[in-house]
Amino acid sequence: DAKTTQPTSMDCAEGRAANLPCNHSTISGNEYVYWYRQIHSQGPQYIIHGLKNNETNEMASLIITEDRKSSTLILPHATLRDTAVYYCIVRVPHMNYGGATNKLIFGTGTLLAVQP
Amino acid sequence: SAVISQKPSRDICQRGTSLTIQCQVDSQVTMMFWYRQQPGQSLTLIATANQGSEATYESGFVIDKFPISRPNLTFSTLTVSNMSPEDSSIYLCSVNGYTFGSGTRLTVV
Repeated sequence: DAKTTQPTSMDCAEGRAANLPCNHSTISGNEYVYWYRQIHSQGPQYIIHGLKNNETNEMASLIITEDRKSSTLILPHATLRDTAVYYCIVRVPHMNYGGATNKLIFGTGTLLAVQP
Repeated sequence: SAVISQKPSRDICQRGTSLTIQCQVDSQVTMMFWYRQQPGQSLTLIATANQGSEATYESGFVIDKFPISRPNLTFSTLTVSNMSPEDSSIYLCSVNGYTFGSGTRLTVV
């Protein structure tokens, strides 16, 4: 089962910051938070990930609360092309026949609609 | 980051038949992951494939229905066997937890 909960949908005005919240209250100490987005009919696109500290890259910023029970993805200047489903994911340890690895358990995501 | 080529991009198949989906990566990777995305739904992990060992299936997915091959570090296949309309989905492969293929859109009629 997914370890994250997100709002089903959000609207944002073009040029404004989009703030997408995510709750992951059962996250364990060594589990990372990942964000992906999926534009219609395409494969998911990696955005950013973090463990405890806030992270920033050319696409977005990730703010993680001190207790790590929630996080917020920030798109600083949303454009129409940012309209997509955004998935907040907790990466969990995963044992398989090939050894130890991690896997991504997708939740339902947030449909972000950027309005002109 | 790795570049994934997934084939076919889409197909329409008759019920009772099987379809094999290919996933080719431009670099060697340890783990490959296969996902299913049913219409209007999120992604569900089917199995993890490591070269040299059998695939590990998630709850609700079995090898007889979704056999997987992983002959080398750059290639994997997923077969959807004895298809029914309920198998109509997008099937995606992923590597290293970051990169996804563009998916195979399967319609079973």
